[in-house]
Amino acid sequence: NAGVTQTPKFRVLKTGQSMTLLCAQDMNHEYMYWYRQDPGMGLRLIHYSVGEGTTAKGEVPDGYNVSRLKKQNFLLGLESAAPSQTSVYFCASKIPGELFFGEGSRLTVL
Amino acid sequence: GNSVTQMEGPVTLSEEAFLTINCTYTATGYPSLFWYVQYPGEGLQLLLKATKADDKGSNKGFEATYRKETTSFHLEKGSVQVSDSAVYFCALSEGMMDSSYKLIFGSGTRLLVRP
Repeated sequence: NAGVTQTPKFRVLKTGQSMTLLCAQDMNHEYMYWYRQDPGMGLRLIHYSVGEGTTAKGEVPDGYNVSRLKKQNFLLGLESAAPSQTSVYFCASKIPGELFFGEGSRLTVL
Repeated sequence: GNSVTQMEGPVTLSEEAFLTINCTYTATGYPSLFWYVQYPGEGLQLLLKATKADDKGSNKGFEATYRKETTSFHLEKGSVQVSDSAVYFCALSEGMMDSSYKLIFGSGTRLLVRP
């Protein structure tokens, strides 16, 4: 059972470069989320989606864009990466009462 | 707004010691409360949850009781093992659990258990 899969798991970018993180879930969940995890700050919600074709802003959306063209995929894009976006990114999908997380993607912006 | 406050870590214990990790929350309405655990190199996993006041969530020897009068959801375990070493996150969901779409997380508490 794959669950929630994130790619890539590690990436190093230079300031100003762009990239896309892919999240795929095989559980047919409607809700999907992107969080970032920074030391001492827990997880902060970037964007989320309540179904195919929908997206919404979370707590810290600036500098990120998302798309949910297919129910099973939720993409997180950085158009012009900044050092402040160095973080570990987690994707999750949800059923009532429980979030299922991917293993994380560690992004470093130099 | 809603928020979750956890005790700062790291918490270092010897094997078989008693564990308490404090969690308090601020919320309007009647949130559901959760504990998630993150093992090294992995994503977060649900450890236990409680959906209403005085509920006790339990799993793998861990327990937490939803205390509305003290707005707390402290995590306890009677005898920790080395394999319990991880980061523990307290979280609350806004709104009714079956329709809520957002969790608010605390900053996490790292637990290190020594043999």
